[in-house]
Amino acid sequence: EVQLVQSGAEVKEPGESLRISCKGSGYSFTSYWISWVRQMPGKGLEWMGKIDPSDSYTNYSPSFQGHVTMSVDKSISTAYLQWSSLKASDTAMYYCARHSGLNAFDFWGQGTMVTVSS
Amino acid sequence: QSVLTQPPSASGTPGQRVTISCSGSSSNIGSNPVNWYLQLPGTAPKLLIFSDNRRPSGVPDRFSGSKSGSSASLAISGLQSEDEADYYCAAWDDSLSGYVFGTGTKVTVL
Repeated sequence: EVQLVQSGAEVKEPGESLRISCKGSGYSFTSYWISWVRQMPGKGLEWMGKIDPSDSYTNYSPSFQGHVTMSVDKSISTAYLQWSSLKASDTAMYYCARHSGLNAFDFWGQGTMVTVSS
Repeated sequence: QSVLTQPPSASGTPGQRVTISCSGSSSNIGSNPVNWYLQLPGTAPKLLIFSDNRRPSGVPDRFSGSKSGSSASLAISGLQSEDEADYYCAAWDDSLSGYVFGTGTKVTVL
């Protein structure tokens, strides 16, 4: 069974750093791109970017380029999304999702809620 | 700011047919496959339709997708109470070199 399991909810203060994770199982982790999707409270879905777990090649949305970093550790089938300096506007639910061969997101993680508040 | 436009809401009574539109452009819907996602309250999105009109295993045939030019549609026939959710269209955009989601449509079963 294909699963993407994300790390738990986080509460941080502005300016702090953070890394959240997404562990894949039940499939060949390096064979499918992973995307990250943001959903701010009460709002719609926003694509942040994607990473190829086989070589760590990344493609960021211009809206998120320079503010987040995507990485993987293929030895443990885990993708990461990290911030070096959080802002209150980063408060949102973050989902990881697996790309099918047709650029659809066929499996999703359960989401990680990030709250940034002083 | 989404480049794919959906109506904010749609509704119907049980058993009715509901259609949701998704308007894009030549750089996204007009040249790439459209996917649809369903998001039940408090849960992660789920793939409902891929490649314009194909259903993943386990998705009822009450859900169907279509595309014409730079617009796409999702139809839900035989509406059921458990269909109350947010629905998003999505596609790759060649101009943006990125994936774009629609603005989302909240479906209410009256």
